[in-house]
Amino acid sequence: GDSVTQMEGPVTLSEEAFLTINCTYTATGYPSLFWYVQYPGEGLQLLLKATKADDKGSNKGFEATYRKETTSFHLEKGSVQVSDSAVYFCALSPRGSNYKLTFGKGTLLTVNP
Amino acid sequence: EAQVTQNPRYLITVTGKKLTVTCSQNMNHEYMSWYRQDPGLGLRQIYYSMNVEVTDKGDVPEGYKVSRKEKRNFPLILESPSPNQTSLYFCASSLSPQSSYNEQFFGPGTRLTVL
Repeated sequence: GDSVTQMEGPVTLSEEAFLTINCTYTATGYPSLFWYVQYPGEGLQLLLKATKADDKGSNKGFEATYRKETTSFHLEKGSVQVSDSAVYFCALSPRGSNYKLTFGKGTLLTVNP
Repeated sequence: EAQVTQNPRYLITVTGKKLTVTCSQNMNHEYMSWYRQDPGLGLRQIYYSMNVEVTDKGDVPEGYKVSRKEKRNFPLILESPSPNQTSLYFCASSLSPQSSYNEQFFGPGTRLTVL
């Protein structure tokens, strides 16, 4: 079945540091890929998405590129802020349907001033 | 404001006492789903509904029931809760399940403790 593997946390960075959270997937065909963010005490929010190979999703300074050859969708941000402290989830859904989201285990990011 | 609401937000109960967690969305979404979030396991889908009167099992449906009598509501029912159902529960909805362009909107979560 489909699966998502993302780097284990927690990740602790200083403000303005570069962030990478690795995500790889196993799926049949060409799934759509997502990053969701969960701020403390809140539900998940979609951060960015990509629906085909070489697509780059971006939002709020975060970026991720759909790499079919390496089955990866790594999340990056050039300069993190304290307000980026949250749990980040990589997820996939089968092409043409988002009724089945498969999530990674989540990565806790803490950014210190 | 477009949103998914869940009630209650926090619940402590005892083994075997039936409970219902409500979920409601005001966006006229067709698709709704329940997830549970556990440390080290991420989110796992319990049940989902493609439309009114259409529900199906997710990855971890044991011990749960759902119903979808109206488009806006999708309650999660635990007929006889057990301690292994202690978890953080999220309801989600999206406009249509048929397109990957429709994001899922999540509720704020319900923290359930079963003693």
